[in-house]
Amino acid sequence: SQQGEEDPQALSIQEGENATMNCSYKTSINNLQWYRQNSGRGLVHLILIRSNEREKHSGRLRVTLDTSKKSSSLLITASRAADTASYFCATDEETSGSRLTFGEGTQLTVNP
Amino acid sequence: EAGVVQSPRYKIIEKKQPVAFWCNPISGHNTLYWYRQNLGQGPELLIRYENEEAVDDSQLPKDRFSAERLKGVDSTLKIQPAELGDSAVYLCASSLEPLPLQEETQYFGPGTRLLVL
Repeated sequence: SQQGEEDPQALSIQEGENATMNCSYKTSINNLQWYRQNSGRGLVHLILIRSNEREKHSGRLRVTLDTSKKSSSLLITASRAADTASYFCATDEETSGSRLTFGEGTQLTVNP
Repeated sequence: EAGVVQSPRYKIIEKKQPVAFWCNPISGHNTLYWYRQNLGQGPELLIRYENEEAVDDSQLPKDRFSAERLKGVDSTLKIQPAELGDSAVYLCASSLEPLPLQEETQYFGPGTRLLVL
């Protein structure tokens, strides 16, 4: 079963604009991760945020986590055409015994 | 450093036929995962190994799916017999340690795209 739900399902922007994707989940978590998947390729880990953290940055990525609302957002600043991909949030639930549960993803298209 | 290797990359079979996927994790990674990813969805865990022990196979359809990880390195996932609904991408991933001990990220292979006709 899918734990996370990403919003929006699809997002199309122009190069240079910022892209924001949201993820909601249902149960208490140890941490939340974001992954990127290019067409026809495996997933690549982007960033991990722990349950006691509220915000984390990595290059052009900014992740926030609100455990009271059980939600997270991924912001990509100054987007590039190469950022075109599907983005998935994945949660490590407290009761799952080290199982990552992925959402259904947001398909981001960055137009040059 | 080589990443997670999977083969074959693509497989087309007729229903009721058997099929097997192979995975070689990153050297030194004790934890190995098999996921299934249906079109337009995120991956779903099928089985997780700690070394050669399957520690989480609760989501593996055991009537037709089986997996093994001999010697705690390479792993094989098998489907016998395959059904139309098994068409998906099968992803293998590995990590040094399981979550949440070190909050390790998982490294994914490119996947095997299976089409059952």
